[in-house]
Amino acid sequence: DAGVIQSPRHEVTEMGQEVTLRCKPISGHDYLFWYRQTMMRGLELLIYFNNNVPIDDSGMPEDRFSAKMPNASFSTLKIQPSEPRDSAVYFCASESQPPGQFFGPGTRLTVL
Amino acid sequence: RKEVEQDPGPFNVPEGATVAFNCTYSNSASQSFFWYRQDCRKEPKLLMSVYSSGNEDGRFTAQLNRASQYISLLIRDSKLSDSATYLCVVNIGSGYSTLTFGKGTMLLVSP
Repeated sequence: DAGVIQSPRHEVTEMGQEVTLRCKPISGHDYLFWYRQTMMRGLELLIYFNNNVPIDDSGMPEDRFSAKMPNASFSTLKIQPSEPRDSAVYFCASESQPPGQFFGPGTRLTVL
Repeated sequence: RKEVEQDPGPFNVPEGATVAFNCTYSNSASQSFFWYRQDCRKEPKLLMSVYSSGNEDGRFTAQLNRASQYISLLIRDSKLSDSATYLCVVNIGSGYSTLTFGKGTMLLVSP
């Protein structure tokens, strides 16, 4: 198995632009998570899905952030418009049965 | 009080040393506990789960103290390759997959 796949690996954009991050979970995993990691705040859960349905989006910082999971093998996290304070590493993770979530390599986002 | 607290370190130890990390959590209703490892500029990876009775995986031993609400990780015979940040992870939410991560403890093993 290729593991969790994320794209792009790096993204540099200007303030105000739309950013779309992509994730392909491990096949057969029915939970998908989006996290954000910064030095100041550590790793924060943004949203998670179970069987493609959003279960908890209380971690999404504001309306500029949205996430979708149109099918079991694909999810997107969109930021529109982006701001410099959104600069972080965004991880996608998937899980089948506990224990433990498997993380993708992350997308390093820089908003200028 | 933060939900999951860890000493950020760094812990600097020589090869072959034994080192221990602790982590405290605030929610007494927490059900599951893990240690993850994160290398520099890489993703977190599950190191081991933490069971009530304590558990061991090779050189690594994890223990849980529910009464005091802390978790520990002991690494024996440290290797250079153990250098990483160790994240304490607790299931705090109502759903079994709602994990809260500590900010991690950095370990540096030197020759």
